[in-house]
Amino acid sequence: QQQVKQSPQSLIVQKGGISIINCAYENTAFDYFPWYQQFPGKGPALLIAIRPDVSEKKEGRFTISFNKSAKQFSLHIMDSQPGDSATYFCAASISGNTGKLIFGQGTTLQVKP
Amino acid sequence: DAGVIQSPRHEVTEMGQEVTLRCKPISGHNSLFWYRQTMMRGLELLIYFNNNVPIDDSGMPEDRFSAKMPNASFSTLKIQPSEPRDSAVYFCASRPGQGRSGEQFFGPGTRLTVL
Repeated sequence: QQQVKQSPQSLIVQKGGISIINCAYENTAFDYFPWYQQFPGKGPALLIAIRPDVSEKKEGRFTISFNKSAKQFSLHIMDSQPGDSATYFCAASISGNTGKLIFGQGTTLQVKP
Repeated sequence: DAGVIQSPRHEVTEMGQEVTLRCKPISGHNSLFWYRQTMMRGLELLIYFNNNVPIDDSGMPEDRFSAKMPNASFSTLKIQPSEPRDSAVYFCASRPGQGRSGEQFFGPGTRLTVL
């Protein structure tokens, strides 16, 4: 019940296209859902996060869509750029605890010029 | 702020040797996490501390792994004896204790190769 399942494992998108990565969870106590971006040779860094009181959050070209009833959330990257090529991790946690994040398996995104 | 600092950045050692990885969290952060990343298993949480106290070490693979946090500004992850299957990138992350933000700040990682 602590798992976060992420798909696809890898994704290839043309420049200007839309990249979509999906995650699903089981634990209804989760109330914080971040996405992390990791470039080769670097540590993951927070990209965008959402809490279940809203169904969508947008920051620039990045949007999280959240479906509480389906226990799913997704990351949409609009107008994908070669500089977006990286590994993306979804995660989930329960507020009020020490901040332990349960990470998905990661999606490697390649944006072709 | 310099961010989370990890050392060494790269470590190559031979099977059976002791390995010590070091981490300096961001000043003022109350929680510290150690992760291991491999192609096969992804990003795995090994152990985390809150206010220097280990909270959950269920991710530590076996007794060969140990972690300490003697004070708020320093933590170590030790592997003794090391084995080739321990080869991975090890990340340290810290998190502030205040507020609702769950953001963890990751260090640059230590790439460990055990021959």
